[in-house]
Amino acid sequence: GENVEQHPSTLSVQEGDSAVIKCTYSDSASNYFPWYKQELGKGPQLIIDIRSNVGEKKDQRIAVTLNKTAKHFSLHITETQPEDSAVYFCAAYKDTGGFKTIFGAGTRLFVKA
Amino acid sequence: GAVVSQHPSRVICKSGTSVKIECRSLDFQATTMFWYRQFPKQSLMLMATSNEGSKATYEQGVEKDKFLINHASLTLSTLTVTSAHPEDSSFYICSARADRENYEQYFGPGTRLTVT
Repeated sequence: GENVEQHPSTLSVQEGDSAVIKCTYSDSASNYFPWYKQELGKGPQLIIDIRSNVGEKKDQRIAVTLNKTAKHFSLHITETQPEDSAVYFCAAYKDTGGFKTIFGAGTRLFVKA
Repeated sequence: GAVVSQHPSRVICKSGTSVKIECRSLDFQATTMFWYRQFPKQSLMLMATSNEGSKATYEQGVEKDKFLINHASLTLSTLTVTSAHPEDSSFYICSARADRENYEQYFGPGTRLTVT
């Protein structure tokens, strides 16, 4: 079935450095790729997303890139801050079939001050 | 982004009782709502998908008689955990999508259920 792999599972960076989280999806029909940030004890928050007709999208310190051929997409956070510390989930969705969103396993990001 | 609320945020109940969790989309109409369960340090596990006015579609392995889902209006869905047992203790999160043309899915803050 559909699958989304996410790496790394844990990432520790120094404040000010960049963080990159990578995901690979299995279903080539997937056409929407959101990223969520989840803080402890809270629900996931949509932070950025990209559709399959776009290769890159940026929003301030956050950017997402998509390689449809390789079925890879990545989240890039620049100038990390301690408040960026959270669990990040990537996901893949297709607007046909079951209309389900498939989530990655999550990456726990620690930003050290 | 759109706002989804959940109530209660935390609930403790005794084994054998039932508990209801409400999920509301506050500033948009949600044709589709989702219920997830999340275990500590794990990803989101989809339990069921509900469309307004129709029966929920449950994922494999999720007991529909135990986890009753009602999507009575375009802004409200409820999850009732019936005859709760300690193994039902978990973090339950709802999510809502406006319609199939809007892919964005917004999550509620979650409900921590503890069954004693």
